[in-house]
This record gives sequence, structure tokens and C-alpha cells, in this order.
Amino acid sequence: AQTVTQSQPEMSVQEAETVTLSCTYDTSESDYYLFWYKQPPSRQMILVIRQEAYKQQNATENRFSVNFQKAAKSFSLKISDSQLGDAAMYFCAYFGSGGSNYKLTFGKGTLLTVNP
Amino acid sequence: EAGVVQSPRYKIIEKKQPVAFWCNPISGHNTLYWYRQNLGQGPELLIRYENEEAVDDSQLPKDRFSAERLKGVDSTLKIQPAELGDSAVYLCASSPRDWRNTGELFFGEGSRLTVL
Repeated sequence: AQTVTQSQPEMSVQEAETVTLSCTYDTSESDYYLFWYKQPPSRQMILVIRQEAYKQQNATENRFSVNFQKAAKSFSLKISDSQLGDAAMYFCAYFGSGGSNYKLTFGKGTLLTVNP
Repeated sequence: EAGVVQSPRYKIIEKKQPVAFWCNPISGHNTLYWYRQNLGQGPELLIRYENEEAVDDSQLPKDRFSAERLKGVDSTLKIQPAELGDSAVYLCASSPRDWRNTGELFFGEGSRLTVL
């Protein structure tokens, strides 16, 4: 079974600074997607960024970028120029089409605090 | 366009009482998911529907949980009888027909259940 591990339960960053959230995963599948989702206190989960495993180029989305290391099964999220609105729970998630049966498997999350 | 709508947002019940949660997915989304999110944890899949068919219910505790998606649109998740350990947030998500190409799920705000 696929597993997703987020080793940082909590992180904090100063406004306008850069922070990196870590994620590792375990899979035997060759074709899969990785995601970072954001869950603000209102609880609605929102997609931040997506990475297709077959793409070597790291995904970027405005201030958000990933460092995808397929061989190491590592998928970290970098948030640049942090803003107060970035404060939330961040979940790393895995989506595959084989044994994972087309479902998102989430890590336990990292709570990000942004200090003014 | 309206997002995924869930009700109720909050529910407090005594143990052994029944409870039901309702979800209306985004119009046109044929895949619907129910996830359970315990405090401080990532969401865990309970059941996935493709139209009206439950294609993955392996994680649904069938002795007390039931779900239905009549007509392949909105869905109801029921717990009877509720136990203390069922206290959690129940998230509904949906995805469009081409979701296999993107893997992106759209989440509702969730229903927070407290069992006393």
C-alpha cells in the first residue's frame, strides 16, 4: 500500500520569508501524481500544486514550487514570500492508478504558522 | 459555479444515536468521495462512487456505516449507532469525468461530528 509521510507536524515562517515543507512517499507504481493541498481553518481543502511523476521538471504555481526527487521518493513544497493567508494545514497527497485504486492518500499534515 | 455542498456543518449527538450527512457534488462530477478526518490527521477514504456505483468501499465500517448515492448525484452517509470514536470531520469530495488525467478532487467544507 502507498504511504505518505510528513515529518514536520508544525512549521513557522516570518512573513515575506521562504519556507519548505517536507514529504516522502512509498510506492511501487510507476505512474502517479503528487499533490499539495491546503486546508485553512474553515476546513475546505484547496489544491495548491500538482506534479506528474513522469515529468522531470518541477511544478511551479506563482509563489509555490516543488522539489520532486523521484528516485528518493521525496516531494517538498517551497513557499516563497510567505503571506499571512498562507497560514493553514498543508497535506501532501499521492494519487495512483494501480494498486492505489484511484484514490488520494494523504499524509498527516504540517501546520504552517506565518508570523507578521 | 457552486462548489461541493455539505450539511450539516456541525452535529453533536449522544453515543448510540444515529446521524446522517448529506453531500451535493459539483454539477457534472460523476465521481464522489467520502473521507473521514480525525483531529490532527489527514483525511482517510471511506467510500468512492462512480455515478451511483460504490467502486471502493473497502475502508467503510459496514457494521455501522452506510452510504448511498441514488441517481448518481447527491449522496448520504449514515452512522447508526454512533460511537465515541466516530467524532471527526466527514469530508465529501467530487471530481469530473476526466479526473484520471488530473487527479484533482474538489472538497466541501466538511461536517464536524461530536459524539458525547
